[in-house]
Order: sequence, then structure tokens, then C-alpha cells
Amino acid sequence: DIQMTQSPSSLSASVGDRVTITCRASESIGNYLNWYQQKPGKAPKLLIYAASSLQSGVPSRFSGSGSETDFTLTITSLQPEDFATYYCQQSYSTLYSFGQGTKLEIK
Amino acid sequence: QVQLVQSGAEVKKPGASVKVSCKASGYTFTSYDINWVRQATGQGLEWMGRLNPNSGHTDFAQKFQGRVTITRTTSISTTYMELSSLRSDDTAVYYCARVGGTSSWYALDIWGQGTMVTVSS
Repeated sequence: DIQMTQSPSSLSASVGDRVTITCRASESIGNYLNWYQQKPGKAPKLLIYAASSLQSGVPSRFSGSGSETDFTLTITSLQPEDFATYYCQQSYSTLYSFGQGTKLEIK
Repeated sequence: QVQLVQSGAEVKKPGASVKVSCKASGYTFTSYDINWVRQATGQGLEWMGRLNPNSGHTDFAQKFQGRVTITRTTSISTTYMELSSLRSDDTAVYYCARVGGTSSWYALDIWGQGTMVTVSS
């Protein structure tokens, strides 16, 4: 099975900051990497698919990059509503897998 | 609108089984795979398995092989996830999610609201 490793596991930042979250796959997954945002008590929400494509309705301050095994999610100019937990997920294999999550907290 | 609506919360005893439903609406049910994902309180997302509603074909994470069954009733656009031999560490929120297809590189684009399953004696 493909293992997904995110870092950091938690991150403190302020409104207006730029933050980057990384995700590494245990083997090459091409561009089959997706990012989700989850707020407490809510279902995850798709932010980015295919490593860098923004899901409809997602603000342009979110961006993704990377390929093969190394990926990043960047949020520029953090807004109060961005404080949440973020997960990467591979859809290269029919057996999907998620990273362990990165909790973004207000400093 | 496109949505997945799940059944309500369940409380089960250890050793029992639970069956959670996920009703799709707003799209052609048989055109998109459904995945099941769970999340224990304060923990991350854990992928469990998937169903092709057209063929009925399923795939499961090795951890759940032999203990989880995913089925569907196409006439009512509903998918079911049944987990057997429940243990306390199966206590979690269970989500169904739609695979968005080739245009979204098979990301999970629509999610149900989640179903809380509590396993307690």
C-alpha cells in the first residue's frame, strides 16, 4: 500500500501569513495527489486535485504543487476561516490513502 | 444539487455489526464510485474501501478485509457499508464520499455528512 506522510503535524500562524504544508508518498504517484480541508464537526472538503488544480469555488490563495513523490500545499495571506486541518490523499492506487493531517492553528 | 445523505447515529455492543447507508441524489448513481472513510475522535482520516455502483465491484484496505462489506441498491441510489465484529476502537464517524471521475483525477469531490458509530458495552 502507498503510505502518505505529511509535515508538519501542526502549525501555528497568524492572519495574513503564508504557510506551506508538505506531503510525501512512499512511491511515485504521478500527479494523483489531492488536498482536503476539514473543520471541526464537518466533513472534509476537496480543495485541490491533480496536485495543482483548484476545485471550483476554492479561493485562489490556495495552491498546490509537486509531482511523483513530493507535494506541497501553500496558503497565501491566511484568512480566519483557513484555520482547520488539512489532509493529502493519493488517488493513484485503487486503494486510496491519506496523510495523517496538519492542524493549522492561530498564533 | 449533488449530495450524499447518510443514515443516523448508531450505538452497538462489542461483537455486533453495524450497517450505514449513503443515499445519492443529483447525479447518475452508477457513474461514480463511492468510497468509505472513517475518523476516530481527534484522529485522522482512514480509508476503508470503495464500491463501483455499476458493477458492484469492491476494493478494501487490508486492515478491513473480511470485516467490511460494501453493497448497493441501484433502484434507490443507495450504498451500504457494513462492519462486523465491532470493537471499541471502531468508534468513529464514518463518511461516504464520491469519486469525482477522470475530470478530477479521482479525487473525493462530494462527501456525506458523516455517521457516528459508538461501540460500547
